[in-house]
Amino acid sequence: SAVISQKPSRDICQRGTSLTIQCQVDSQVTMMFWYRQQPGQSLTLIATANQGSEATYESGFVIDKFPISRPNLTFSTLTVSNMSPEDSSIYLCSVDDGSKQETQYFGPGTRLLVL
Amino acid sequence: AQKVTQAQTEISVVEKEDVTLDCVYETRDTTYYLFWYKQPPSGELVFLIRRNSFDEQNEISGRYSWNFQKSTSSFNFTITASQVVDSAVYFCALSEERGSQGNLIFGKGTKLSVKP
Repeated sequence: SAVISQKPSRDICQRGTSLTIQCQVDSQVTMMFWYRQQPGQSLTLIATANQGSEATYESGFVIDKFPISRPNLTFSTLTVSNMSPEDSSIYLCSVDDGSKQETQYFGPGTRLLVL
Repeated sequence: AQKVTQAQTEISVVEKEDVTLDCVYETRDTTYYLFWYKQPPSGELVFLIRRNSFDEQNEISGRYSWNFQKSTSSFNFTITASQVVDSAVYFCALSEERGSQGNLIFGKGTKLSVKP
């Protein structure tokens, strides 16, 4: 399976600021996904990022709040904009395994605390 | 609509006990995929198993086993002779056959605590 890294691993931010999270994969992948996991909760898909096209956002998530870049097949960024304490979560990127088996492998996550 | 239900919020067992984590799913598709992931306290999500809807064979991997039953829409996970290192949150997830993009629907997770 692909090896996925995320930066930063954790951060503490002030409300009103923005944080960009990076996701790097050790192989080329078509589809990358960004998930949010609020404290004590399950994972919710924010958006799907395909190279060469705009990200596709799930209901409840908008580009102005969570802009995503996908400049190539091994890298993506998620920005959490104008943060509030409600944005405190673990943010995880994942990649599709490239087969038709639909398996997603996840990065280690970024723990974000907004004060 | 897709839905995954993990009715057990938390389970606590003593080391060497067997434990079963329940997962019930809902989908209208005939082709779909079921998954289990483990999330230890460090936070990363570790892939454990994938099952497609056409393969109802049970699977065993070491101390882990999975029981997939389409008749009851369940995909239960059993840990035999549990160990402290098994302590984690376990998520069951569902994905329907991808059209233009995929979306894993996660259950709320079951927190397993294995005490020595």
